[in-house]
This record gives sequence, structure tokens and C-alpha cells, in this order.
Amino acid sequence: GESVGLHLPTLSVQEGDNSIINCAYSNSASDYFIWYKQESGKGPQFIIDIRSNMDKRQGQRVTVLLNKTVKHLSLQIAATQPGDSAVYFCAEKTNNNDMRFGAGTRLTVKP
Amino acid sequence: EAQVTQNPRYLITVTGKKLTVTCSQNMNHEYMSWYRQDPGLGLRQIYYSMNVEVTDKGDVPEGYKVSRKEKRNFPLILESPSPNQTSLYFCASSHGLNYEQYFGPGTRLTVT
Repeated sequence: GESVGLHLPTLSVQEGDNSIINCAYSNSASDYFIWYKQESGKGPQFIIDIRSNMDKRQGQRVTVLLNKTVKHLSLQIAATQPGDSAVYFCAEKTNNNDMRFGAGTRLTVKP
Repeated sequence: EAQVTQNPRYLITVTGKKLTVTCSQNMNHEYMSWYRQDPGLGLRQIYYSMNVEVTDKGDVPEGYKVSRKEKRNFPLILESPSPNQTSLYFCASSHGLNYEQYFGPGTRLTVT
């Protein structure tokens, strides 16, 4: 079946650098995408979302890019801080109204 | 404080002993959902509910039941738990399908 996936399971960056976390999805009919952050021992926390009629959305220090041509989603974190260390999940809402999550990328920020 | 609560947070049980994990939200959300999280597999949707008395299967519904008799509550029922249901379970709620979901703190279930 179709699923959401991630290019890299781990990412290590230096504090102050920018981070880019990637996600590939295969359901071309998905119309809503979300990035979540999960810290150890906690539930996922919403970061930013984007609907399929957009290709870019910005929040505070975060930007989500959606490329529907190649079915690719990315999360950019500017000036990464130690508090950004966590597992990041992308999720898509499919045309069957299911919510599917990727396996996650662990981001480690080195001081 | 707006939140999703789950109980219990930790549960160890034996195969075949029926259990219920409760979920409650105080944000008047229509949409609620249950997920399980297993290492390397991310979150997988078990069941979701668009509104009171409306529930639908997610990706992995086998062995689970849910009910939505009230808007704020969405319990997850395991009629006859098995060891392969050992997992970390999350409940979530949102205003609707195309809105961010708010997650509970999780319930770690071990079935021996």
C-alpha cells in the first residue's frame, strides 16, 4: 500500500545551523500535510501544516515546502537550537481520510 | 488548560484480559483518533471518529474497538489483548480532518 516515508532516519547539526528534514509521500491524492515534533516521553506536537493548494508555508523559524510534482515534503528549521532536538514526523491525510505518518527522523543538535 | 488526557499512562496485563484505555478532550473537537507507535514504524492509525456515533477504521484496526457516545470521550477497547498489541498508544483530537491534531501523553501497554 501507499505510505509516507523519510529519506534519513537521523540528522545531526551544529547549533545555529539550518536543518532540513525530508519526507517522501506516495499518495498523490493526499491533500493535507503536517509536521510534528516528538520529544522523549511525550506525545507528538504540531509544528506546521500545509494544504495541497500551496507549495510553501512559513512559521516561526520553520518553513514547510511541498513539491507535488515529485511528491516531496520538507521541513526547514532556521538557526537550530538544542531544544529542537527531537524526532520529527511528517503526516499526510489521504483521500480515504486516513492520517498516515512517516517513521520519523531523529534530529540531534550539537552545541 | 486545553488538553487531551489518557488513562492509564502505564498498564501491564495478561493475554485475553479485556481492557479499556480512556481518552478525553476538553476542546470541543469533533475529530478524535487512536494511534499506536512501535519502533521503526512511526504512528499507525487504529480508529478515528469524525463526530459522535461516527467511527471509522484506520490502518490497523484488528483487535481493537472504539466508541464515541459523547463528544469529549473516545475510549479504546481491547476485548482480548495479545502480546502483539504491546505498544505505545496515543489519542489525538482536532477540529476536523484538515486541522492539526492535539495528542495525549500516551499509554504504554504491555501484554504478557
